[in-house]
Amino acid sequence: EAGVTQFPSHSVIEKGQTVTLRCDPISGHDNLYWYRRVMGKEIKFLLHFVKESKQDESGMPNNRFLAERTGGTYSTLKVQPAELEDSGVYFCASSRGGTVVYEQYFGPGTRLTVT
Amino acid sequence: ILNVEQSPQSLHVQEGDSTNFTCSFPSSNFYALHWYRWETAKSPEALFVMTLNGDEKKKGRISATLNTKEGYSYLYIKGSQPEDSATYLCAFRRRAAGNKLTFGGGTRVLVKP
Repeated sequence: EAGVTQFPSHSVIEKGQTVTLRCDPISGHDNLYWYRRVMGKEIKFLLHFVKESKQDESGMPNNRFLAERTGGTYSTLKVQPAELEDSGVYFCASSRGGTVVYEQYFGPGTRLTVT
Repeated sequence: ILNVEQSPQSLHVQEGDSTNFTCSFPSSNFYALHWYRWETAKSPEALFVMTLNGDEKKKGRISATLNTKEGYSYLYIKGSQPEDSATYLCAFRRRAAGNKLTFGGGTRVLVKP
């Protein structure tokens, strides 16, 4: 089966601009997650969708970040306006639904550089 | 504060040698521990999900053990090969905290031919 895909792989924008990242999860996975790794730090959780609903957005840093998952398929993460500290690698992951502890499968990430 | 610590941060291993490293996590409210293998610019690859105290999992030359009572997991690589060079990440999932994973900083392994 195809893995989690993310687009673009790299994005360089200026401070104040807007960027939209896209994630396509593994087909049939109800759970979709966004994580972020800032240079030199741990990967940190941003939010979790179950189908099209936001289950947990406790990791979203501020209201400049907006995540959507219309129709419960792909998801977008918009940063508007971007700040220098938003630079990092944004990972998307997906997993099956249910009560079993399933693996979360990660995409390759989008490397965002804000200058 | 939920801290997941990995040690060492990096290690060099001679090809053919075996090695192991540690992931420490809070022992209270344990739900699951995930291990990933990550090469930069690629997707972190899921290795193991461990849920029970005393669990041992194996995938080829890589294996892991879990001690939830004392809050640690070991990852072992037997007979290291250059293709094992990667960063190994552990991630903790806390009970009643949803599906979110809390990651450690990783152990960067370099296998020298």
